[in-house]
Order: sequence, then C-alpha cells, then structure tokens
Amino acid sequence: DAMVIQNPRYQVTQFGKPVTLSCSQTLNHNVMYWYQQKSSQAPKLLFHYYDKDFNNEADTPDNFQSRRPNTSFCFLDIRSPGLGDAAMYLCATSNSTDGYNQPQHFGDGTRLSIL
Amino acid sequence: GQNIDQPTEMTATEGAIVQINCTYQTSGFNGLFWYQQHAGEAPTFLSYNVLDGLEEKGRFSSFLSRSKGYSYLLLKELQMKDSASYLCASVDSNYQLIWGAGTKLIIKP
Repeated sequence: DAMVIQNPRYQVTQFGKPVTLSCSQTLNHNVMYWYQQKSSQAPKLLFHYYDKDFNNEADTPDNFQSRRPNTSFCFLDIRSPGLGDAAMYLCATSNSTDGYNQPQHFGDGTRLSIL
Repeated sequence: GQNIDQPTEMTATEGAIVQINCTYQTSGFNGLFWYQQHAGEAPTFLSYNVLDGLEEKGRFSSFLSRSKGYSYLLLKELQMKDSASYLCASVDSNYQLIWGAGTKLIIKP
C-alpha cells in the first residue's frame, strides 16, 4: 500500500546532541510537511517543501533544519535539541497537482524524548 | 489573527450521537478539514467541506456554514473505537492549514 513512513517511531537523544528524523513516501506526492505536536495541542507546521522549494515558517527555530534530497525522502535535523523540543514529529504529504485542497496524509510520527 | 476554536473535551455514550463544533477565523478561506487522531498516533483524514451544507460519509457527517465561520462533525451510532481527538483545520488564503487543538471525545459504555 502507498504510504508515508517515518523512522524511527521512538527516538531518545541527549540534551544538545544532534538528531535526524526521516520520512519517506510511496505516494509520489509533490508536497511534504513537517509538524511538531505536543500533548493536547494542535500540530505546529515547521516547514514544507513544494516540490524542491523549501518554505520555512517564520517562527520555526533555527535549531530545526530540513532536507529533501528527492521526491520520496525528507529529513528533519535538530541541531541541538533542548528539553522543549520533546514532542511528536509528524511528516505529511499532499498532492497539489490535483488541486490545492487535497488532504494531507500523515506518517505514524516519531516521538522524540530528550534526556 | 487566525484562530480555530473547538471544545477541549466531550463525553458521549456508546450507540448515541455526538456533535463536535468548530468555529474559525482565518485570513481567507479555502475549505475546512476534519481529522481523527487516536492517542499517540497520527491524524487521519475524515472530511473536507468548502461549500455550505452537510456532507455525509457513513456514520460521520460534516457541516459547514461559511457565513457563520462554523462547522460541525456529527458522529452517529458511536462505537468505543471512536474515542479519539477530532481536529478541525481551516485552509487559509495561502492554502495553509490552520489547526485547532482538537476535541478529545470519550465514549462510555
């Protein structure tokens, strides 16, 4: 089945130690998103790629970076994780070629813990 | 500013009907999504409304009134597996999703 896959499902890292979260998709969607979601809060958009064009949200900390080497893969790099970065990180895709209001398809998320 | 309001938590009984309301204020409007999110899992798409009226999909229906900035999600014949958070998200003029914090629905036997 076509899907959005996030690895790992759970990630533990140390305070200040860089960490990379990965996302891959077999849907061939041209838009990919990274969200941060804390408990009982709305997902917060960090950035998104429209094809290769990178769009950073104004309030996304510089500590967060992203790479999209090809259509299928997207990475979230947290350069120096702080305790406040502990959250669920959600990757999503959508296909804007069918219109701009297509639903986003989410991966299962990576739950990041900071020691 | 942009704002989505929905109740924090609701409780309903198995087999009953529940209506979850959402009001939105966004810069421009290009439709509204409802997503279901079980605890510790990713959101899954339920419905999309861009025109006024009711869209029915099995046990779930979604309603939109653009003039009132209001939507609701109606769940019928509630099952225990419907216990989840339900997130409302409005599409703004830049086609970005503005998310609500979600309504946690608790189903009791």
